[in-house]
Amino acid sequence: QKEVEQDPGPLSVPEGAIVSLNCTYSNSAFQYFMWYRQYSRKGPELLMYTYSSGNKEDGRFTAQVDKSSKYISLFIRDSQPSDSATYLCAMTARGGGYQKVTFGIGTKLQVIP
Amino acid sequence: NAGVMQNPRHLVRRRGQEARLRCSPMKGHSHVYWYRQLPEEGLKFMVYLQKENIIDESGMPKERFSAEFPKEGPSILRIQQVVRGDSAAYFCASSPYFQEGLSTEAFFGQGTRLTVV
Repeated sequence: QKEVEQDPGPLSVPEGAIVSLNCTYSNSAFQYFMWYRQYSRKGPELLMYTYSSGNKEDGRFTAQVDKSSKYISLFIRDSQPSDSATYLCAMTARGGGYQKVTFGIGTKLQVIP
Repeated sequence: NAGVMQNPRHLVRRRGQEARLRCSPMKGHSHVYWYRQLPEEGLKFMVYLQKENIIDESGMPKERFSAEFPKEGPSILRIQQVVRGDSAAYFCASSPYFQEGLSTEAFFGQGTRLTVV
């Protein structure tokens, strides 16, 4: 079993839809959770960062962490064609730097105009 | 302020040749991380370097792979005697310093896509 599970998709939605992207994990030591967006042929860029459980909102994006279920989500409201990209979840335990980050495989999202 | 610069963007090598991938971190960043991305596996950590030091190479294959980050110049990931299985996208990321909890963002380059033929 992988430490981080993420459905690779692809996920196709119409413009304006609410998108829900999810990851599950098995390592209960994970405390820092991130979502990256990666456009085709580009490097990942950090979208959201959360520590421990709870919600965090930034514009159209909401990150949610449920540590009891070992489940994290990224919601995108009013999705736009420019949101079409691969979304990677990533996480690490306390005491870890970027060398300790475990990434999900990424979910490919396509927003249809 | 230029971002993380990787070159070349695309590299084709024949089996048995050497591949050299370069990464210039963002200005003021002294920490560099290399990752490999395969379609079915996602991003995997390879090596973490500071200037003139390898801090963590636990993700590097024991043979044929090496990395350096000299006092002057870019960080280099070197793959000797490449094989088809080395074909992947290689990304580097840089950050200004290490901080627990990753509250300091690491910025990724655009990657080098290595194809071994």
